[in-house]
Amino acid sequence: KAGVTQTPRYLIKTRGQQVTLSCSPISGHRSVSWYQQTPGQGLQFLFEYFSETQRNKGNFPGRFSGRQFSNSRSEMNVSTLELGDSALYLCASSLAGARDGYTFGSGTRLTVV
Amino acid sequence: KQEVTQIPAALSVPEGENLVLNCSFTDSAIYNLQWFRQDPGKGLTSLLLIQSSQREQTSGRLNASLDKSSGRSTLYIAASQPGDSATYLCAVIRTGANNLFFGTGTRLTVIP
Repeated sequence: KAGVTQTPRYLIKTRGQQVTLSCSPISGHRSVSWYQQTPGQGLQFLFEYFSETQRNKGNFPGRFSGRQFSNSRSEMNVSTLELGDSALYLCASSLAGARDGYTFGSGTRLTVV
Repeated sequence: KQEVTQIPAALSVPEGENLVLNCSFTDSAIYNLQWFRQDPGKGLTSLLLIQSSQREQTSGRLNASLDKSSGRSTLYIAASQPGDSATYLCAVIRTGANNLFFGTGTRLTVIP
C-alpha cells in the first residue's frame, strides 16, 4: 500500500518567487493537511482539506494557499517567497480526519535564497 | 490555546535501557493523541494513536499511556536499541478540531 507521496523532495527558490508543492494521499484517504516545520517554531498547522473543501486553517498569511482535487491530491502554493519561508513542508493524510489518525509524507525541503 | 510540552528536550541512554518520554498538554478537551518519530531530515512516522476514551496503546516495545484529567501522556520504550535514536513528537487534537498540535519533541540517542 503506497504511503503519502510529496513532490518535489527539495526546492531552492529566490525571494519573491512563488512555489507549488504537491501531495498525493494514501488511496481512499479524503483528508489532507499541511504543516510547516522550522527549527525555531517547530511544527505548525497550515490548513486541512476534505473533499475539495478547506475545512480548517492555521495562522499563516494569505501568501500561503492550497487546494484539493477530486482525486484527493492536494497542492500548496506560496507566493512572494520570503527567507523565513525556508522550511520542511509536510503533508498528512487521513481517512476522514481526527478520529483516524494521520500518516505523514517525507516532506518537501524548501530553501529560499 | 492548546500548548504541548515535552520533557526532556534531549535524552541519551545506553543500549538496552528502558526509558520514558513525557508529554503534557494544557487543554484536556482532546479528541486523541498521537506519538510520532522523526529521523533527521525525514518526515514523521506514526507510532501510536490513543483515542480520548482509551488509557493506553501498545505496539511491540512501545507503550503509550494517556491521562486526560492531568493532561499527560507517556511513551515507554523497552529495551532500547540504537535504531530507536530519533526525535519523538507527541501531538494532540482538540475536540471539534481536525489539526494536530505538536510538542517540541524529545531527541533520543541510544548509545551502543
